[in-house]
Amino acid sequence: EPEVTQTPSHQVTQMGQEVILRCVPISNHLYFYWYRQILGQKVEFLVSFYNNEISEKSEIFDDQFSVERPDGSNFTLKIRSTKLEDSAMYFCASSGGTGGGEKLFFGSGTQLSVL
Amino acid sequence: AQSVTQLGSHVSVSEGALVLLRCNYSSSVPPYLFWYVQYPNQGLQLLLKYTTGATLVKGINGFEAEFKKSETSFHLTKPSAHMSDAAEYFCAVSDLRGNEKLTFGTGTRLTIIP
Repeated sequence: EPEVTQTPSHQVTQMGQEVILRCVPISNHLYFYWYRQILGQKVEFLVSFYNNEISEKSEIFDDQFSVERPDGSNFTLKIRSTKLEDSAMYFCASSGGTGGGEKLFFGSGTQLSVL
Repeated sequence: AQSVTQLGSHVSVSEGALVLLRCNYSSSVPPYLFWYVQYPNQGLQLLLKYTTGATLVKGINGFEAEFKKSETSFHLTKPSAHMSDAAEYFCAVSDLRGNEKLTFGTGTRLTIIP
């Protein structure tokens, strides 16, 4: 079964450093998403991406965050200057775009720890 | 705006007993509803989903859920709990506009007592 792949599985960084979280979506998917889950809290939507541009973003997704699909296969989330509160599990998801979430596939996540 | 409420952040059941995890939703449009499971140190795995049609949906691992519009509920059940069911369970509702933004509940941690 096709799957969404995320690397690394764990990332430790110092506060103020830039991090890039990487995702390889399912190959024929067109819609891409990032969600995050702070420890003990619910999974929260960050951003959706389609046709090489952001289609929607949450209020969490401020100027410190950016997304990119650099080479047609990878989908990245960059945090420019990490804060302690950015520590969370970040999930990438992709979809064939049938709408409504019924074809959404999640990766296994990257645990980001900001020290 | 959509929202999901999961009653009970922790639920414990004995092995072999009925599992019931509660989820209520709020949506201004007909919802698509989902249950996801998260095993320790793993990602989110889709258990089952309701989109249209039959209101009782069956998922993997013997789980099922029933969409009740009148009660705005989508409770998850399994007749007989197994030790391997111990995990975090998330109910979610989607935005039907096509960008598949999911709004998740706060999750219910299921513990199985041997």
